[in-house]
Parts: sequence; structure tokens; C-alpha cells
Amino acid sequence: EAQVTQNPRYLITVTGKKLTVTCSQNMNHEYMSWYRQDPGLGLRQIYYSMNVEVTDKGDVPEGYKVSRKEKRNFPLILESPSPNQTSLYFCASSSPSQGAGQEQYFGPGTRLTVT
Amino acid sequence: KQEVTQIPAALSVPEGENLVLNCSFTDSAIYNLQWFRQDPGKGLTSLLLIQSSQREQTSGRLNASLDKSSGRSTLYIAASQPGDSATYLCAAPFSGNTPLVFGKGTRLSVIA
Repeated sequence: EAQVTQNPRYLITVTGKKLTVTCSQNMNHEYMSWYRQDPGLGLRQIYYSMNVEVTDKGDVPEGYKVSRKEKRNFPLILESPSPNQTSLYFCASSSPSQGAGQEQYFGPGTRLTVT
Repeated sequence: KQEVTQIPAALSVPEGENLVLNCSFTDSAIYNLQWFRQDPGKGLTSLLLIQSSQREQTSGRLNASLDKSSGRSTLYIAASQPGDSATYLCAAPFSGNTPLVFGKGTRLSVIA
């Protein structure tokens, strides 16, 4: 089954404790991205990657890091989480090489709480 | 800056009604437009994708239209059911290599 998976689904942590949220897709997609969703602000992109070893900042990259060492994986790293990073996080993937109209597929989300 | 707007933010209708959700965008040079459904606390489910060269797409009781010249898309839901209750989001990339810009969604409640 074609899918985007995220782990963990729920995470409660404390300020300053480094964490990683994993994202993996099995569709051989080149493009992957991370979004955060907050009430009243909607979905905003954090980082994206056009292909292996190619990453770029989205709208709200501060406090986050990413890496793209393999095509299927795109982990999101919070080196020193803070309470304002409490949010619902989504990973997404698509395949621009398929041409116009590529559909984006989203993972199930990771609910992060930083106390 | 490209923006996507959805009005109204919330909508409540009785079961069985046909309804239209609206989405507008600031730049007519969108690459495509995608409609999603999100249940509370859950992920996004893709409903329909309209390519920039298309005018509409249909899936079951759902029909999405796209009018690039006016910067608008609509999602038509026929014969609404309580199970349609969710937040509906529209999103568009403004070129093939840029991320999706999302509207803030319309929260739909279908009352039995």
C-alpha cells in the first residue's frame, strides 16, 4: 500500500531535550516536506526537499533541522525544543518528475507537546 | 506573497442538502489545486486534484471546479451526510517546485 508513515504519532517532551520525528514514504517520491498545523494559523511549511541531499527552508524553519540522506526518509529534528513548537506535524511527499498535477500525499501526523 | 483563502470558516447544514465550499487564490498562475478533508486530530485525506489545464474533477458526490482567471475553486458536495462532517482544505503550489500554500479550511457540520 502506498503511504507516508510518521513516528511517533504522539510525543510529550520537555524543553531542550533533542528529538527526531521520522518520516518515510514507499512511493519513490523525490519531493518531501514537513508542515506544522496550529489553530488559527493553518498549515505552514517548515522544510522541504526536492531530492536526496537537497533541502530548503519553508515558511517557518526556525528551530528545526532536516536531512535527506535517502530518498524514502526525511526526518525532522528539533535540537532544543521549546513550548512554541507544540503543534501537529505532517510529512508529505509527491513526485514532480511525473509532470504537472502531481498529488501530494500526507502522513497521519505527529502531535508534539513540549512542556 | 501567494495566498489561499477559504470562506466561510465554518458551515452547518442539515442532512441531504447540496452545498458549496469556496476557495480563492491570489495568483492565477497556480500549478494545480488540491482539495483535502481532515477529521479532528487526524491527517489529511486527498479528495480531488485539479490540474491547471482542467476545469473540474468529480469523485462520487464531490465535484471540484477551477477558474484560474477569477482565482477561484469550489467544492460541491451533493446530498450531504453526517459522515461528511470534517474540515475541508484547499491548497495550491504556485509553480511545480514550490510547496503547497493552504487555506485555513472550512469546518463543515452536517446535522442529522
